[in-house]
Amino acid sequence: AQSVAQPEDQVNVAEGNPLTVKCTYSVSGNPYLFWYVQYPNRGLQFLLKYITGDNLVKGSYGFEAEFNKSQTSFHLKKPSALVSDSALYFCAVRGTNAGNNRKLIWGLGTSLAVNP
Amino acid sequence: DAGITQSPRHKVTETGTPVTLRCHQTENHRYMYWYRQDPGHGLRLIHYSYGVKDTDKGEVSDGYSVSRSKTEDFLLTLESATSSQTSVYFCAISEAGVRYNEQFFGPGTRLTVL
Repeated sequence: AQSVAQPEDQVNVAEGNPLTVKCTYSVSGNPYLFWYVQYPNRGLQFLLKYITGDNLVKGSYGFEAEFNKSQTSFHLKKPSALVSDSALYFCAVRGTNAGNNRKLIWGLGTSLAVNP
Repeated sequence: DAGITQSPRHKVTETGTPVTLRCHQTENHRYMYWYRQDPGHGLRLIHYSYGVKDTDKGEVSDGYSVSRSKTEDFLLTLESATSSQTSVYFCAISEAGVRYNEQFFGPGTRLTVL
């Protein structure tokens, strides 16, 4: 079965420190991977995606993510966290079967808290 | 949230009543989606549409129906609301072509079924 796992429900980091939000996936074929962010009482916003090419993908608000095929991971990173980065982060992968390649398969989300 | 509106934004209703949520887009995107978001479950796809009058079921479609009679509107109907359908509902859109999996989300509708 195709799936996405975000192993940490919550991540805490001090402002100015680097942050990592983890994501692993299980799909057959070449994955299309995505990160979204949800601020309180808002809809989700697209951050970045990996389709092909360079394993390090840069996105909005200074975030980047590294695709690692051997570890089936797509971890979200930022070199220096801001308090305003505190939000809920979702990893997603596009289905690769004919029946589900119009849909995204979502992780359960990781709550990031950046402490001043 | 630009280009996508949802109405109503908040609704309280009683068990057994029908409820319709509306998603309206001004982006002319081909694909539209309805999700529900619940603590511990993340986002779950209810139904989606890949064109006018073309819809398909998601993973939690029981008790829900949808209609899309024009590109800009995607309606979600709870035929007979139950307390288990208390949730936050999000509409999303995406365009055809190379960006079609980049989904853009509306602001959400908070539905409470008493």
